[in-house]
Amino acid sequence: ETVMTQTPLSLSVAPGQPASISCKSTQSLLYSDGKTYLSWYLQKPGQSPQLLIYEVSSRFSGVPDRFSGSGSGSDFTLKISRVEAEDVGVYYCLQGTHLRTFGQGTKLEIK
Amino acid sequence: QLVESGGGLVQPGGSLRLSCAASTSTFSSYWIDWVRQAPGKGLEWVAIISQDGSVNYYVDSVKGRFTISRDNAKNSLYLQMNSLRAEDTAVYYCAKDWGRRMDVWGQGTTVTVSS
Repeated sequence: ETVMTQTPLSLSVAPGQPASISCKSTQSLLYSDGKTYLSWYLQKPGQSPQLLIYEVSSRFSGVPDRFSGSGSGSDFTLKISRVEAEDVGVYYCLQGTHLRTFGQGTKLEIK
Repeated sequence: QLVESGGGLVQPGGSLRLSCAASTSTFSSYWIDWVRQAPGKGLEWVAIISQDGSVNYYVDSVKGRFTISRDNAKNSLYLQMNSLRAEDTAVYYCAKDWGRRMDVWGQGTTVTVSS
């Protein structure tokens, strides 16, 4: 089983400031087709999760460009360049290379 | 769009069948997942099924108790849950799995296992 570890588990950021979340996997997420199946989700309070980033760094349709993803192998990062009030919620990484596994989640709050 | 139903209160050891209805004619083109979220906890992947239903995988904690299936003629996905335990209490989501990512989610249905 591939275990996904996110850090930090919680984050308090002032509006307009950057935020960064790390996600590490216990094995490489590079698939045999050459792609790396790591995606990021935001679950806003009271809502279903929504896809933000897929294949490490591709933004999903409608996702603001202040969200970016990076990384390779087993080490990945989600960055928000300038946090806004609407970004509050819990962020999850998901690996799709070895079946599916979510990280524990990172709760983002606004200072 | 995906809409889950079938949740409710069930006693430990009981059974429940969840449904997920898709409002799209391309339903049969996608793998579909079930994901759950226990109260106050994170997301946990539960199961996945291939486009034609011939392939499925489960998280270890539900193997032998849960069965994922689909009826493409009805644009529907199912999760038969047997031998339910208190730790199965959660909101259950279905999600479209496209390119090994979950790009469309339902609103969830709540399952409570309690006596």
